[in-house]
Order: sequence, then structure tokens, then C-alpha cells
Amino acid sequence: GAGVSQSPSNKVTEKGKDVELRCDPISGHTALYWYRQSLGQGLEFLIYFQGNSAPDKSGLPSDRFSAERTGGSVSTLTIQRTQQEDSAVYLCASSFRYWLPWGNTEAFFGQGTRLTVV
Amino acid sequence: AQSVTQLGSHVSVSEGALVLLRCNYSSSVPPYLFWYVQYPNQGLQLLLKYTTGATLVKGINGFEAEFKKSETSFHLTKPSAHMSDAAEYFCAVSERSGGGADGLTFGKGTHLIIQP
Repeated sequence: GAGVSQSPSNKVTEKGKDVELRCDPISGHTALYWYRQSLGQGLEFLIYFQGNSAPDKSGLPSDRFSAERTGGSVSTLTIQRTQQEDSAVYLCASSFRYWLPWGNTEAFFGQGTRLTVV
Repeated sequence: AQSVTQLGSHVSVSEGALVLLRCNYSSSVPPYLFWYVQYPNQGLQLLLKYTTGATLVKGINGFEAEFKKSETSFHLTKPSAHMSDAAEYFCAVSERSGGGADGLTFGKGTHLIIQP
């Protein structure tokens, strides 16, 4: 597609349930990021995928959070046993890694998935 | 390691006044620098970026930013604020690695309020 696509756009789940959030990056982008934005807070880095390298998971807040990226394209962020503090907007972004003559090094963001845990 | 500091979680200016949003970074290698804007209930949109060349960068909606290596700063300015500029602004840094960019680190954001 033309942009980064995230689904669902909104998700309401009960405390203790598992959820999966999906991100379709821009075709050809090798880098993919997940961020969390809680109400009134800035962007919290969660995880970063770069090509076939091992992902940078340093931002994942607990072992209930995991992410995978299949075939270097689509990514799924999974939150197990959701807690109320997991309620936030989860943003996905993708970018080229290598500098290109037209300079497209910036990250493009999806619209986010708003997760509400009740 | 890289980091970004945005001074002021909230900045309030009058319509027509100068907008100045501050961003300082730390990076062990020459950085790529970005400003993103987030309007209510929307994703992030790129305002402008510095990669190489001219240190004064012009972006969309009349915004510009100047890369000052000696001050490790990349402050965002606009000569005359408009009500539609009210939004959350994020500064970000990415380090150059192998000819490309590795990892993107964001500041905590600055909420710009425009007073009528």
C-alpha cells in the first residue's frame, strides 16, 4: 500500500485477555518500529526490526509483550494477559535504512491502534 | 547511544507570535534529525528533516529548523503562529551507520498551544 497500515484502529479488550496488533509497513522498507503513546505521554520505544538482524527488544516493558516480523514485512505485536496500564495508542513506523539519493531516511507512521483494557 | 531532550512539555504562544520549540540531542556519530507533528487523534507526520548539506532546513506549514553542531541543537521555529499549528511536536534523532540510519529516538514531545 501507499502508507503504513495498522489494524485494528481501535481495540477494547478485557483485562487478562491476549491481543494482537498488526502493522503493514511500506513496501521495501527494511526498518520497522513499534512505539507506545500513553495519554499525555511522549513516544515510548518498544521494539525495532532492521532487515534480517535480531530485533532490538530493549524497549519492551515486560515479558507479556512480544513482536515478530514475518518475511521481513508484516509485523505483529502481541500483548498477553493485558493489564489496564497497557491502555494506550500503539504506533508502528517503517523506513528505509540506507541513504538514498532522494534522501528518504525518515520514518513513516501508521494511524495507530488505540487499545483500551477494561 | 543517542538521546533527545525537548525543553518544555507545553509551550503557549499567541496567534501571530514567534514559535520556538527547543530540541537538543546527543549522538556519538553525525546524526539525522527530524521534527514530526501529531494533530489530535492522528498519527505522526514529518515536518522537516536534516540529513546533509544546508544546516537551515525548511519544512511544511512555514516551519524551519537549524542544525547547530556546536550546540547539539535542532530547534524548530515559525515566524508567525496560526491556530492550526496547535499540536504535539516531536524531535527525533537517528544515527548514521554504514551509509544509512539506525534506530530512531524521539524526545518526549512538546504540546504547542496557540492563544487567540
